[in-house]
Order: sequence, then C-alpha cells, then structure tokens
Amino acid sequence: GAGVSQSPRYKVAKRGQDVALRCDPISGHVSLFWYQQALGQGPEFLTYFQNEAQLDKSGLPSDRFFAERPEGSVSTLKIQRTQQEDSAVYLCASQDPRRNSPLHFGNGTRLTVT
Amino acid sequence: KQEVTQIPAALSVPEGENLVLNCSFTDSAIYNLQWFRQDPGKGLTSLLLIQSSQREQTSGRLNASLDKSSGRSTLYIAASQPGDSATYLCAVRHEYNFNKFYFGSGTKLNVKP
Repeated sequence: GAGVSQSPRYKVAKRGQDVALRCDPISGHVSLFWYQQALGQGPEFLTYFQNEAQLDKSGLPSDRFFAERPEGSVSTLKIQRTQQEDSAVYLCASQDPRRNSPLHFGNGTRLTVT
Repeated sequence: KQEVTQIPAALSVPEGENLVLNCSFTDSAIYNLQWFRQDPGKGLTSLLLIQSSQREQTSGRLNASLDKSSGRSTLYIAASQPGDSATYLCAVRHEYNFNKFYFGSGTKLNVKP
C-alpha cells in the first residue's frame, strides 16, 4: 500500500480483556517499530523488528505485551488482561533499509480500557 | 538516557508570522534528527530529517537547523498559515543503537486566520 496501515482505528476493551492491534507496513520496509503515545506526550518506544526478527523489546511495559511479525511484513501487538493504564494510542512505524531514511507512521490505534 | 525537550509546549500566532520551534537533547551522540507534524487523531508525518553531519535542511517554507555539540535544533516556519496548525515533534536517533528514537513531547501550534 501507499502508507502504513493500522487497524482498528479505535478499540474499547473492558479491563481484563485481551486485544490485538494490527500493523501493515509499507511494502519493502524491513524495519518496523511499535510506539505508545499517551495524551499530550511524545511516542515512547515499545519494540523493534528487522524483518521477522524481534531485535529489541526493551520498551514493552510488562509481560502482558507481546508483539510478532511472523512473515516479516504484517505485525500484531497483543495486550493480554488489559488494564486502565494501557489506554493510549499505539503507533506503528516502518522504515526502508537505508539508515538515514525517515520513519513512516500509521494513524495509530486508540485503545481505551474501561 | 537521552532526554528530548521541546519549548514552548504551545504557541499561538497570527497568520503570516515567521516562527521558531525549539528542540533540545541531552546526549550529543545522535545519528540524525527528524522533525514531524502530527494532526489531531493522526499519526506522525515526517517533515525534515537532518543527518548528524549536517547543519540544516530546507523544504519549502520549513527550515530545520542542527547544532549537535550544543544539543539543539530549531524548526523555522516562514509565513505561517492556518493549515500549519498541528503539533510538531522532534526525534533523535541514537548514534550507536539504531533501534532507538527519542521523541520530545511536541509543540502545539495554532495559527490564527
């Protein structure tokens, strides 16, 4: 596609439910990032993939968060047993193999945990 | 850990004014710096990327400068328009850990017609 696509755009979950957020990066982009953005704040790093390999997951806030990219393109961020503090916008970004190329972001998924 | 600060947090100007947004970072070991625009409910759109060896980049009415040694970057917007109203964020990429981008909290710009 022309840009990074994320779905759903909005997700409301009851506390304790599991959610799955999808990211479809720009074709050919080997690098994929997940970020969490709280209201009025900049994005905070969650995890990074190079192709199908998850090379850095140091930003995942707890073991309830899990991300995968099994075939090196589409990625899913899963949050188990959601808590109210998980409410945020989850942004996905991709980048082509050149290190000085810009990050391209999707429009994000706004997660609200009630 | 790299800390990125953007001042001011919010700015309101009349249409036509030239303006400067500021970004400072604590660790000068950066690979590049990128300025983004974020509209409400949207993702981030890349505006300008400056490599650590560069001093500035220009695109249309936008000019971004970088002083790596002092840990500062500025985004200059000439002849502002209401359509420029958005939140502007800067992000630095670590010089050695290429996975890491550190973002500021942004400057929310309102350009009044």
